[in-house]
Amino acid sequence: DAGVIQSPRHEVTEMGQEVTLRCKPISGHNSLFWYRQTMMRGLELLIYFNNNVPIDDSGMPEDRFSAKMPNASFSTLKIQPSEPRDSAVYFCASSLLAGVNEQFFGPGTRLTVL
Amino acid sequence: DQQVKQNSPSLSVQEGRISILNCDYTNSMFDYFLWYKKYPAEGPTFLISISSIKDKNEDGRFTVFLNKSAKHLSLHIVPSQPGDSAVYFCAAKRGGSNYKLTFGKGTLLTVNP
Repeated sequence: DAGVIQSPRHEVTEMGQEVTLRCKPISGHNSLFWYRQTMMRGLELLIYFNNNVPIDDSGMPEDRFSAKMPNASFSTLKIQPSEPRDSAVYFCASSLLAGVNEQFFGPGTRLTVL
Repeated sequence: DQQVKQNSPSLSVQEGRISILNCDYTNSMFDYFLWYKKYPAEGPTFLISISSIKDKNEDGRFTVFLNKSAKHLSLHIVPSQPGDSAVYFCAAKRGGSNYKLTFGKGTLLTVNP
């Protein structure tokens, strides 16, 4: 079975550009999470969806960040406009039942904003 | 304010010996703890967990110990193997069906042949 799929794996962009990260969760999983990993702050939760509905977006750093889940098999995290301090590895994770079952992580997208 | 702390950024161990990775937490509401393992260019993968009603959980070569009074947990790997070389993250969450994991910054374990 395929795990969580993320694209692109690497993204290099210039400050001010729009960036869209994509995630396909494991089929049948009801919960989806977006995380960001930086040296300073480690791995932190940005937003959590349950059954395609955003439940907790308290970790989204600014209005420049937005996330959508139009259906059970696809989610996007968008940064507009991007800034150098957004450079990080962004992980998507999914689980069958949030809080009960383990979270399965994708391979991550390494974003570099110049 | 880091609620989950892994104070050792790195650890180097000889193959066959024991690896001990440590984790401290400050939030007394945490009652479920997990360890994740991460290889380069991959996402973290779940390794082992422990509930606060236990003080030890074992799975093959991996054992997690929890000391609630000290707010401390540790992961023991015995015997260590070169394939265990990875970054290990400690994570914690509050009770019930709470989904929110709070992660430490990780410890890079290197097991030398």
